Amino acid sequence: DAMVIQNPRYQVTQFGKPVTLSCSQTLNHNVMYWYQQKSSQAPKLLFHYYDKDFNNEADTPDNFQSRRPNTSFCFLDIRSPGLGDAAMYLCATSSKAGIAQNIQYFGAGTRLSVL
Amino acid sequence: GQQLNQSPQSMFIQEGEDVSMNCTSSSIFNTWLWYKQDPGEGPVLLIALYKAGELTSNGRLTAQFGITRKDSFLNISASIPSDVGIYFCAGHPTSGTYKYIFGTGTRLKVLA
Repeated sequence: DAMVIQNPRYQVTQFGKPVTLSCSQTLNHNVMYWYQQKSSQAPKLLFHYYDKDFNNEADTPDNFQSRRPNTSFCFLDIRSPGLGDAAMYLCATSSKAGIAQNIQYFGAGTRLSVL
Repeated sequence: GQQLNQSPQSMFIQEGEDVSMNCTSSSIFNTWLWYKQDPGEGPVLLIALYKAGELTSNGRLTAQFGITRKDSFLNISASIPSDVGIYFCAGHPTSGTYKYIFGTGTRLKVLA
């Protein structure tokens, strides 16, 4: 069973129209991450949460925002998508305790297209 | 952001051949992870390594945590067509952070 679930798998939006991508996890992990991945490149970290503590990467555009209302859910909001924001968006989680510490688990991703 | 040096960038091999790829860093890591990513999917964890010198297998896959803690290797034996994909290494630094550093990826194609 999927442990990190991303919805939707495919999202099409219009240039400038806000869009929200969602991620949920059944692992009860403290840390949740959002990555952007383009053209088979390495995933690029946008931001991550440790519990409710938000950590933004210095080069993440202001256009990208995130919310984590509880342990299980995390959202990526793109306020005004541009053509350059078309990409695969990956959610991941990790635990900081126990034998599974430092292992990062990914969801299946959401492919965003911007028209 | 920071990336690991991963090589080779791509490989074309015949079915049945063995494959080797590696990641190197100028920094020390306390964990190495190896992932496989299929087109349109998220990375799937293959092997996790926690100690310098550790050698771990998962079926036909074997990975090692380098003694210097600055590198890691992944070997695939007797490749099959479903091994096709992009393989990423990821390292977790020793300093207090929850972030992971990713390699640039190795694209593997297997010719039947």
